[in-house]
Amino acid sequence: DAKTTQPNSMESNEEEPVHLPCNHSTISGTDYIHWYRQLPSQGPEYVIHGLTSNVNNRMASLAIAEDRKSSTLILHRATLRDAAVYYCILRDRGGGADGLTFGKGTHLIIQP
Amino acid sequence: DVKVTQSSRYLVKRTGEKVFLECVQDMDHENMFWYRQDPGLGLRLIYFSYDVKMKEKGDIPEGYSVSREKKERFSLILESASTNQTSMYLCASSPTLSAGDYNEQFFGPGTRLTVL
Repeated sequence: DAKTTQPNSMESNEEEPVHLPCNHSTISGTDYIHWYRQLPSQGPEYVIHGLTSNVNNRMASLAIAEDRKSSTLILHRATLRDAAVYYCILRDRGGGADGLTFGKGTHLIIQP
Repeated sequence: DVKVTQSSRYLVKRTGEKVFLECVQDMDHENMFWYRQDPGLGLRLIYFSYDVKMKEKGDIPEGYSVSREKKERFSLILESASTNQTSMYLCASSPTLSAGDYNEQFFGPGTRLTVL
């Protein structure tokens, strides 16, 4: 599987935007970029995914570099409930029953 | 609301005991997964199932078995629990990919198992 690199931790203030970076320089043409997050004492939850174009949903935005070697998850207005570990992973679209492989992710700390 | 439920949030067992972890999903998903999550090792796939009575080994199946007799239920079995199986166990489900869909995985809350 193509590898991703994320900072170990980031800190932000409540109600400010947060930009979480992810590098994936060995991404292949069929890899989708996915983000999951894991709140304390909970299972992971899906956040967003994209292939080439920037994506928006109710939780976040995903900005993908033109060469697709990096991407940024954007939380437009962070709340205390957004404090979690955020995982950036690459997945080929073809695998419906593929397991997920998470690295260490970025531990996002939100200050009130 | 879509839901994956796991039978216990916390479980304490003794070495050598047989342990059953149950997972139920109400989304009619074909695929179900069992993972374990350990500090510094991330999420690791133990077994998955893409249909009733079907199972496939993941990355770390040793010491575990699974059962899927009904579509909504996927059980993880530790035949003889050992201390190195102390971990957080996560169950997930996902639909089979079809044109235009994304096979997002939905996770349960996890079971923290301690083997003494």
